[in-house]
Amino acid sequence: QKEVEQNSGPLSVPEGAIASLNCTYSDRGSQSFFWYRQYSGKSPELIMFIYSNGDKEDGRFTAQLNKASQYVSLLIRDSQPSDSATYLCAVNTNNAGNMLTFGGGTRLMVKP
Amino acid sequence: DTEVTQTPKHLVMGMTNKKSLKCEQHMGHRAMYWYKQKAKKPPELMFVYSYEKLSINESVPSRFSPECPNSSLLNLHLHALQPEDSALYLCASSHGSAVETQYFGPGTRLLVL
Repeated sequence: QKEVEQNSGPLSVPEGAIASLNCTYSDRGSQSFFWYRQYSGKSPELIMFIYSNGDKEDGRFTAQLNKASQYVSLLIRDSQPSDSATYLCAVNTNNAGNMLTFGGGTRLMVKP
Repeated sequence: DTEVTQTPKHLVMGMTNKKSLKCEQHMGHRAMYWYKQKAKKPPELMFVYSYEKLSINESVPSRFSPECPNSSLLNLHLHALQPEDSALYLCASSHGSAVETQYFGPGTRLLVL
């Protein structure tokens, strides 16, 4: 079982819709969770981070964390074609060190 | 400012060459990282420097040699690479505490012939 799992997609949504990206993790001791967006050929760009159970909103983005169920999600409201990218979920699974474990990423396609 | 810079942007090298990748940040971060990313795969951690000391080496072959000359600079020395080492090499940095955000540089696209 992979430590951090994401559906590889592609997830296709129409412009203006809500895109929902999900991520599950196996280490119950994980404490910090990150969403990165990566355009093709570019480096990962931080979108959001979340540490506490519940929702965290930033503009069109909402991160949701449920530690009991070991999942974290990212909602993108009013999706735009420019949101089309691969979204990487990353989890800090080693609290004694600075290590992130990445999921395989979900490719999102927003169609005009 | 959350900028991490990397040079060169692109690098083509033969299997007998020696080259170096450079990473720089001026955010006062005390942890720096090297990742390798193949196409359609997530970044794979290679090395972590914490307060200029190598703290994590993820069983990387010795043909990759990291160096941290000071708290702002991170180098990756390459020697006798194989074609399968062709990838995007990403540098990242973070403040240096155990649980915090990593910021990535733009990467160096490496092709080994």
